[in-house]
Amino acid sequence: DTVLTQSPALAVSPGERVTISCRASESVSTLMHWYQQKPGQQPTLLIYLASNLESGVPARFSGSGSGTDFTLTIDPVEADDTATYYCQQSWNDPWTFGGGTKLELK
Amino acid sequence: QVQLEESGPGLMQPSETLSLTCTVSGFSLTSNGVGWVRQPLGKGLVWMGTIWAGGSTNYNSAVQSRLSISRDTSKSQVFLKMNSLQPEDTGTYYCARHYYGSPFAYWGQGTLVTVSS
Repeated sequence: DTVLTQSPALAVSPGERVTISCRASESVSTLMHWYQQKPGQQPTLLIYLASNLESGVPARFSGSGSGTDFTLTIDPVEADDTATYYCQQSWNDPWTFGGGTKLELK
Repeated sequence: QVQLEESGPGLMQPSETLSLTCTVSGFSLTSNGVGWVRQPLGKGLVWMGTIWAGGSTNYNSAVQSRLSISRDTSKSQVFLKMNSLQPEDTGTYYCARHYYGSPFAYWGQGTLVTVSS
């Protein structure tokens, strides 16, 4: 299985720029996607195919990367961005998710 | 608009068989795949399996021996059945629409399943 590794948690102040990383154990080309999940809610898609912004998602969110290293950037961070962020690959079966990065606001 | 809604029993006993239903609207099951994703309490997301537009299925090998996904296109429903439940199967079960190689673009609200004696 393709293992996706994310840092467990980050703490930033509103207005700052934050990057959340995701490293794959093998290449997933650009078939990497990012989700936001707030407590008690279902995940919502933010970025698909590594760098494409899902419709309705604020332009503060952006994604980059290919192969094994990917990044989700939020710039600037707002209070409402407090959530857990997951990466997910759809290149290799089984589709796998990262362990999630919990973003907290200072 | 696209909607998915999971339904199920909530509380199960160990060794029982879980049956969940995902009722969809706003799209056709004959043109879209629907997958099931599980989230243990306080933990991350795990893809369990998908039924594709043509009716074929893919399962995560971790649960493949216990899992079956089927559908009734006339009712716009997708079904998950998983046998030999254990307490570690406790969690929130989501259904989500996706295509092969694509992200899970639309999710249901999820249904909590607790396995306990």
